[in-house]
Amino acid sequence: GENVEQHPSTLSVQEGDSAVIKCTYSDSASNYFPWYKQELGKRPQLIIDIRSNVGEKKDQRIAVTLNKTAKHFSLHITETQPEDSAVYFCAVADMIKAAGNKLTFGGGTRVLVKP
Amino acid sequence: DAGVIQSPRHEVTEMGQEVTLRCKPISGHNSLFWYRQTMMRGLELLIYFNNNVPIDDSGMPEDRFSAKMPNASFSTLKIQPSEPRDSAVYFCASNPGQGSYNEQFFGPGTRLTVL
Repeated sequence: GENVEQHPSTLSVQEGDSAVIKCTYSDSASNYFPWYKQELGKRPQLIIDIRSNVGEKKDQRIAVTLNKTAKHFSLHITETQPEDSAVYFCAVADMIKAAGNKLTFGGGTRVLVKP
Repeated sequence: DAGVIQSPRHEVTEMGQEVTLRCKPISGHNSLFWYRQTMMRGLELLIYFNNNVPIDDSGMPEDRFSAKMPNASFSTLKIQPSEPRDSAVYFCASNPGQGSYNEQFFGPGTRLTVL
């Protein structure tokens, strides 16, 4: 089955600096790569996603890049703010195969933005 | 729409007791997922359904766990008998259906404590 590894497990940054989280996956057929943010005591929520036919996607201060050849993708947060403090999960899926909307999640990255 | 609804929000029980967690997916969503989240193991997919049919239950930890989806608007996850190591937050999530590049919407979770 699919295996997703996420690094680092914790990340501390100064407010205003950038944060980068990386994920690698094992199944070359995977074609959908969402990122979820989970604030303390809350549910995970989608913040950005990318499909395999796209190399990069941006939404204001967040961006995701995908390297299908190397089977890795990254989340970039620029100009970090205290409200960016949360746990971030990457996920992977193959949306084409028969039971394809199952997501395999990475282990999560706890991001702390210090004011 | 009220989003995914889970009940109870908190459950404290004693070892050996039966526990039933409930989930109502978003109306019109055809896929439903049960996850377990702990600090040690992260976010684990236990089982998921497409059109009320279980598709993949490989994440169910053992026979003490069972899940049903008798209709499109209701699912249960049952643990019998419960053990302290089952203590976790259990999330239910739904999305429009198989093959859709769509967000998984998570419920608020049920925090289970087994004493």
